[in-house]
This record gives sequence, C-alpha cells and structure tokens, in this order.
Amino acid sequence: ILNVEQSPQSLHVQEGDSTNFTCSFPSSNFYALHWYRWETAKSPEALFVMTLNGDEKKKGRISATLNTKEGYSYLYIKGSQPEDSATYLCAFIGGNQFYFGTGTSLTVIP
Amino acid sequence: DTGVSQDPRHKITKRGQNVTFRCDPISEHNRLYWYRQTLGQGPEFLTYFQNEAQLEKSRLLSDRFSAERPKGSFSTLEIQRTEQGDSAMYLCASLPGGDNEKLFFGSGTQLSVL
Repeated sequence: ILNVEQSPQSLHVQEGDSTNFTCSFPSSNFYALHWYRWETAKSPEALFVMTLNGDEKKKGRISATLNTKEGYSYLYIKGSQPEDSATYLCAFIGGNQFYFGTGTSLTVIP
Repeated sequence: DTGVSQDPRHKITKRGQNVTFRCDPISEHNRLYWYRQTLGQGPEFLTYFQNEAQLEKSRLLSDRFSAERPKGSFSTLEIQRTEQGDSAMYLCASLPGGDNEKLFFGSGTQLSVL
C-alpha cells in the first residue's frame, strides 16, 4: 500500500484569499499524479493530470505544480470563492492503481 | 446523461444482510474501479476490471466482498453478511484505458449498516 499524504486536512479561508495545499507521494515508480475536486453531494471531478517533473497546469484560478524527484505536488487557488468549497483529492498513479490521499477539505467563508 | 451512474444512492440495511450495488460506467470505458470511502479518509481501492476481467482485488478486502462485470459493461459489488464496519460510501469510477487519463466517478452509494 502506497502512502499518499495531503496537508492540511482542512482549511477555512475568507473569500478572496489565496491558498494552497500539498500532496506528498513516493518519489519512486512515478507514473502520474491527478488532482480531483469533490463537492458535497456530487461526484469527484478531475482537475489535473500531471505526468512530467516540473509540470505546471492551470484551470482558471486553480493551478498545480509537480515535483516528482522530491515527491510532492502543490495545488493553488487564487482569490478563493465560496464555490471553491470542496474536498481536494490527489491520486498517485502506479501499476494501473490510483492511490488517493485523505484529501484537503476547503471551506471558503463569504 | 452519459456519465457514470450508481444505484442505489443510499442503502440502509441490518447487520447480517446481503447488499448489492450497481455501477454503469461510460459506455466506451474499458476500465472500471470500485472504491470505498469513510469519513476523514480518501477513497480506498477495492477492485478493478479491464473489460470483463477482474484484474486486481485489494488484499484488505474480506471474502464477504465480491464484484462482477459481466460482458464488460455494468458492474455489481456484493457484500454478504454485512457488518457495521462496512458502512461507507462506495464509489465506482471508469476510464477509457490509459493511466494518463482521468477517472470519471459516479455519485456513489452510501451504505449504512445498522
């Protein structure tokens, strides 16, 4: 069982604040790293699929970076909005398996 | 709607009963995964299928759990003799084939064992 860790476990920010979360994963046998957003009462949805060391991806106000050599990825949200409130999951992919972290629960306070 | 669908959305059962959940993946997706998620934890891998073949099953999974994917289309997950510890959200996800492709999740089945 691979250990994928996310921090912090939960986060409360004011609307308009920028924030970031961390996903740590094994640096060996890396294949890909995914980020998913899971809103309450909805299905988890993919944000980013990252495969190369140094990858940076952006989708609107959300961006992510990847460091496969040291085994971490950061997810950034610029100018948080209430609709960003969700649990953000990262998944380390290896050997046809998706190993999920425990998630970061973000609450954006209007 | 051509997304992944799961049925039922909620299931309440008494300890010792058997339950079966269904997942209908996106039609052209070859791979189908089952996960279990409990409060404060990330999705935990249960099993996955490549078409109709069950290629891997978690070693943590009790023999009370079984899954099928006949004809490589929909999948069922059965839990026999349910226990209170089986209470969780059961998620199904599918993807076309490659590992660089994202998972498409269903809304999950929330199981409560009384």
